[in-house]
Amino acid sequence: EVQLLESGGGLVQPGGSLRLSCAASGFTFSSYAMTWVRQAPGEGLEWVSLISGSDGSTHYADSVKGRFTISRDNSKNTLYLQMNSLRAEDTAVYYCAKVEMGLVTDAGFDYWGQGTLVTVSS
Amino acid sequence: DIQLTQSPSFLSASVGDRVAITCRASQGISSYLAWYQQKPGKAPKLLIYTASTLQSGVPSRFSGSGSGTEFTLTISSLQPEDFATYYCQHLNSYPYTFGQGTKLEIK
Repeated sequence: EVQLLESGGGLVQPGGSLRLSCAASGFTFSSYAMTWVRQAPGEGLEWVSLISGSDGSTHYADSVKGRFTISRDNSKNTLYLQMNSLRAEDTAVYYCAKVEMGLVTDAGFDYWGQGTLVTVSS
Repeated sequence: DIQLTQSPSFLSASVGDRVAITCRASQGISSYLAWYQQKPGKAPKLLIYTASTLQSGVPSRFSGSGSGTEFTLTISSLQPEDFATYYCQHLNSYPYTFGQGTKLEIK
């Protein structure tokens, strides 16, 4: 059974840093791209970042580029999101998700964690 | 960046109704579109990928269609558990944006 378990959320002051982790199990972690998606309170879904399984290439939403860094440790089956220079607008539930592979491109996000809440406030 | 616009944003319907939600892309995305269902306090659930392929375990009353810039999610006969918020997402190129969501409520 695929399981994704996020941790590391909490309250942080504006300008501060936080690192989220996502522990994965039930599938060959290194073979799949992984992604972070966030959802501000009462709002819709926002894609944040993705890291490939094959070559570790990374991609970011413009809203977090230069401030957030996605990484993975395939030996620990763990995905990370390092968040620096946090702003009030980064307040959200952060979900990690496994990326389903399609024939040509990614097909969708087929398994999700339960989410971890990040609150940026003084 | 590719923008996705869902319509309607809110939909009120009854159990047994057939409903359709539309997702329009700001430029062509072939069939690289997914649909998700989200219930309050829960993570999203993948329903359909590549526009029309039903994810394993998803009831057959859900179906997807379209290509290019216009896509539709159809629920053939609403069940009580289908009342939720639905999102489309494109996977044509980065960033993988989502639509703003359609909240499906009980009439």
